[in-house]
Amino acid sequence: GNSVTQMEGPVTLSEEAFLTINCTYTATGYPSLFWYVQYPGEGLQLLLKATKADDKGSNKGFEATYRKETTSFHLEKGSVQVSDSAVYFCALPNQAGTALIFGKGTTLSVSS
Amino acid sequence: GAGVSQSPSNKVTEKGKDVELRCDPISGHTALYWYRQSLGQGLEFLIYFQGNSAPDKSGLPSDRFSAERTGGSVSTLTIQRTQQEDSAVYLCASSLEYGYEQYFGPGTRLTVT
Repeated sequence: GNSVTQMEGPVTLSEEAFLTINCTYTATGYPSLFWYVQYPGEGLQLLLKATKADDKGSNKGFEATYRKETTSFHLEKGSVQVSDSAVYFCALPNQAGTALIFGKGTTLSVSS
Repeated sequence: GAGVSQSPSNKVTEKGKDVELRCDPISGHTALYWYRQSLGQGLEFLIYFQGNSAPDKSGLPSDRFSAERTGGSVSTLTIQRTQQEDSAVYLCASSLEYGYEQYFGPGTRLTVT
């Protein structure tokens, strides 16, 4: 079945540093891929998505490109802010499309 | 418009008691999902509703867990004879239809003492 693996955290960065959080997937076909974010004390929010190969999803300065050659969907941001401190989850649908499968989550802490 | 809401936000219960968790999806969303988030297991799928029926309940961990959805809207997740390992945050999500992006509620934090 479909699965996703993302780098374990925590990731600790200084403000304005470059961020990469790695995510690789195994899937039948080419499902949509997602990044969700969970800010402290809040629920999960969709950060960005890509629906087909070579698509780039972007939002709030974050980007991720759907790469079928490397089965990856790495999350990047050129200059992180303290307010980006959160837990980030990579996700894709299960084979039946009835649920999302999430990675373990990566905790990002940004200090000023 | 209003997002997905869940109640209660926190629930503390004694081992062996039954609990009911409620989810109000976004109006007009036909698909509804329950997940569980715990430190050891991460985010786990529990059950998927399309309308009032549950075509995928493969994630329910035992027969102590059940869920229903009425009127194509509100859903209730029931856990009978709670155990300490049931302690987790229970998340509800809804989507416009099957296959569309999911919007999550704030969750119910369940603590079994």
